[in-house]
Amino acid sequence: DSGVTQTPKHLITATGQRVTLRCSPRSGDLSVYWYQQSLDQGLQFLIQYYNGEERAKGNILERFSAQQFPDLHSELNLSSLELGDSALYFCASSVGGHADNEQFFGPGTRLTVL
Amino acid sequence: AQTVTQSQPEMSVQEAETVTLSCTYDTSESDYYLFWYKQPPSRQMILVIRQEAYKQQNATENRFSVNFQKAAKSFSLKISDSQLGDAAMYFCAYRSEGGTYKYIFGTGTRLKVLA
Repeated sequence: DSGVTQTPKHLITATGQRVTLRCSPRSGDLSVYWYQQSLDQGLQFLIQYYNGEERAKGNILERFSAQQFPDLHSELNLSSLELGDSALYFCASSVGGHADNEQFFGPGTRLTVL
Repeated sequence: AQTVTQSQPEMSVQEAETVTLSCTYDTSESDYYLFWYKQPPSRQMILVIRQEAYKQQNATENRFSVNFQKAAKSFSLKISDSQLGDAAMYFCAYRSEGGTYKYIFGTGTRLKVLA
């Protein structure tokens, strides 16, 4: 158990809908990262927050948005969902916001868009 | 743009034998970090080993070691005395500071361990 929690574990929804994925980082970690893993693919970095501020942006679609709240939990919002958005979404956290900080991964949220 | 390439989609190794997984990357930055992650069927991402680019010495963690060739931009993972529990997807990952942070994963190598 990495100490990072993600809810829900599974999510099934329809095209065009909007969903919110939630992540609680390890106690003391200030940085949160979101990744997308499509079927049998590597992880695609979406976005990073550090202490409430956006720190780095990867291949995040405009239909997707994220934020980190004062209690440091983070939410990833996915809207106008398409079939291709079906994937495993991972959240990771680290103490600091630098590239050398070890990232601890949550168990992921599996999103299925029908 | 930075890229990470894992050219072996699948590898097999006999239990107790040694296997090497390949990873190459492309970058113009001088400071960066390289990682190997393991993803078992549970899908949990587990850090196996890390290497700082400024360190010449290859990292080692128990049965896992890397061969880091900075000039060749190569970062291979060697697993010694392979165990059944080593069966998983292995991902090579690159991170840099630079002007913007980059977090890039390879497409993975599926390792099968044969009893």
